[in-house]
Amino acid sequence: QVQLVQSGAEVKKPGASVNVSCKASGYTFTGYYMHWVRQAPGQGLEWMGWINPNSGGTNYAQKFQGRVTMTRDTSISTAYMELSRLRSDDTAVYYCARDVDTAMENWGQGTLVTVSS
Amino acid sequence: SSELTQDPAVSVALGQTVRITCQGDSLRSYYASWYQQKPGQAPVLVIYGKNNRPSGIPDRFSGSSSGNTASLTITGAQAEDEADYYCYSRDSSGNHVVFGGGTKLTVL
Repeated sequence: QVQLVQSGAEVKKPGASVNVSCKASGYTFTGYYMHWVRQAPGQGLEWMGWINPNSGGTNYAQKFQGRVTMTRDTSISTAYMELSRLRSDDTAVYYCARDVDTAMENWGQGTLVTVSS
Repeated sequence: SSELTQDPAVSVALGQTVRITCQGDSLRSYYASWYQQKPGQAPVLVIYGKNNRPSGIPDRFSGSSSGNTASLTITGAQAEDEADYYCYSRDSSGNHVVFGGGTKLTVL
């Protein structure tokens, strides 16, 4: 069965960077785009971008351009999302999600990132 | 604000039918997909494409689209359907994707 297992919760200071990982299993990692989505406390879902694990190509939401970097390591079927210059309003749960037929069919369990001085 | 607009809250009596809508110009060209999210849990895909349900999603969930509006219908709502529902599709440029603001469904 498809599984996306994300790294654990992080606490960061403003201005720092965070790197969240998403390890995929149960399917061909390079065959499906991977999205990153975040959800601030009490708020809705916000798309951050996607990565094509086959080519490494990326597409970022304009809001995060210049601050987000999505990468992958195909040898271990893992996608990564790095967000830099963290601010308090970056406090959120970050999810990875596998794209199937332009829908997010499978989701990771979420990673809470807390930005606090 | 999102390019996909949803009503913030909708309620339905147990066993009745409810429709949750999502409006946006991009929906004239692209299908929406729908996600159910319960408190403290990751979202779950319930409808995608024209009207497709992933394995394990009850057939009381269905989707439709007309003009700039996509709809998620729950026929015979159950207590366990109480959740937040999000639509998702391309944005107006077609280059990116976007979520609607979400609809909180209460089953009375």
